[in-house]
Amino acid sequence: GESVGLHLPTLSVQEGDNSIINCAYSNSASDYFIWYKQESGKGPQFIIDIRSNMDKRQGQRVTVLLNKTVKHLSLQIAATQPGDSAVYFCAESKTSSGSARQLTFGSGTQLTVLP
Amino acid sequence: DTGVSQNPRHKITKRGQNVTFRCDPISEHNRLYWYRQTLGQGPEFLTYFQNEAQLEKSRLLSDRFSAERPKGSFSTLEIQRTEQGDSAMYLCASSLRGAEGRRTDTQYFGPGTRLTVL
Repeated sequence: GESVGLHLPTLSVQEGDNSIINCAYSNSASDYFIWYKQESGKGPQFIIDIRSNMDKRQGQRVTVLLNKTVKHLSLQIAATQPGDSAVYFCAESKTSSGSARQLTFGSGTQLTVLP
Repeated sequence: DTGVSQNPRHKITKRGQNVTFRCDPISEHNRLYWYRQTLGQGPEFLTYFQNEAQLEKSRLLSDRFSAERPKGSFSTLEIQRTEQGDSAMYLCASSLRGAEGRRTDTQYFGPGTRLTVL
């Protein structure tokens, strides 16, 4: 079946630098995308989401970019902090009126922030 | 605490035993989801409830798995005759389905129950 994947399994950045985590998706019918952060031993924590009718959305220190032409999603973290070290997952879903959002997750990128 | 809670956090069992996990969603969330996550992988959808009705089930949910949400609040996931391949983190999430056009339905996850089958 179609799946969401990530370009890089690991990413190391210096504290204070910006981080960019990439994700490729293959289901062109997907219309909703989410980024989650998961720390060791914890459940995924919602970071930011974006619908397919948008190409950019900003939160606090985070920005999600969606390029539907090449089916690419990215998460930008500004001024990366040690607390940002975690595994980051992108997830996609295809919705129809009244249906729930069954999420399909990628395999994750381990972000390590170096002091 | 108004987040999703799951119990127990850890469960070790012997192959062939039955186990049951509980999930308490965020108050007033009408949708509840179960996912399974193995080491190094992203969560995989298992099943979903809207209120007390189980509306979707993944092919991953074999006959040995059963989930209930009897009063539309908390949910239980039971695994019968556990196998070593059932060892994983079982995650619960909840969301609120709102009016059409509103930004809702974001899934918020609990801490998970880690199952180890010996």
